[in-house]
Amino acid sequence: GIQVEQSPPDLILQEGANSTLRCNFSDSVNNLQWFHQNPWGQLINLFYIPSGTKQNGRLSATTVATERYSLLYISSSQTTDSGVYFCAVGIGNEKLTFGTGTRLTIIP
Amino acid sequence: SAVISQKPSRDICQRGTSLTIQCQVDSQVTMMFWYRQQPGQSLTLIATANQGSEATYESGFVIDKFPISRPNLTFSTLTVSNMSPEDSSIYLCSVLRVGEKLFFGSGTQLSVL
Repeated sequence: GIQVEQSPPDLILQEGANSTLRCNFSDSVNNLQWFHQNPWGQLINLFYIPSGTKQNGRLSATTVATERYSLLYISSSQTTDSGVYFCAVGIGNEKLTFGTGTRLTIIP
Repeated sequence: SAVISQKPSRDICQRGTSLTIQCQVDSQVTMMFWYRQQPGQSLTLIATANQGSEATYESGFVIDKFPISRPNLTFSTLTVSNMSPEDSSIYLCSVLRVGEKLFFGSGTQLSVL
């Protein structure tokens, strides 16, 4: 099956810093989504981004499907950004395969 | 978006027993999935819950251990059968609409003693 690797696995930043999270996948996909799992375990869908670039406030994401990677940018980090970030990929409306995750810790 | 109600939110069970988890969606959805998240790990798909037919299980998951029902387009159940401590995980229901985002319920935290 498709392999999804995320980097870095862990990231510790000071409040106000910017960060870039990367998602690499091993096969062609046309469905890619980014999620934030907060410290209480709730999964929030951040972006549906099979290609191109999208922005939502301090967050933006870019997917280059032909090169099999996606990037999630977080600017001016806040403590509420802490948690684990997952990308998930798939084909059409079939199942999504989740990546290994990046654990982000924002220090006040 | 979709509002997904999942219950119970947590449970502590004895080994050898079974637990049924319920997932209710506020509107009809085509695709419903059940995921498992073991402590400190990513999410692993257990199965796709198919309305009116048997669920489609992923490699490593079998119907006898994880029977799934989906009687209509808004409701599904997952049973974890004959539990052992290795089944201690978070179990998550999720829904997907055509061309849209995947949404998750709040999850069921299961501990098996």
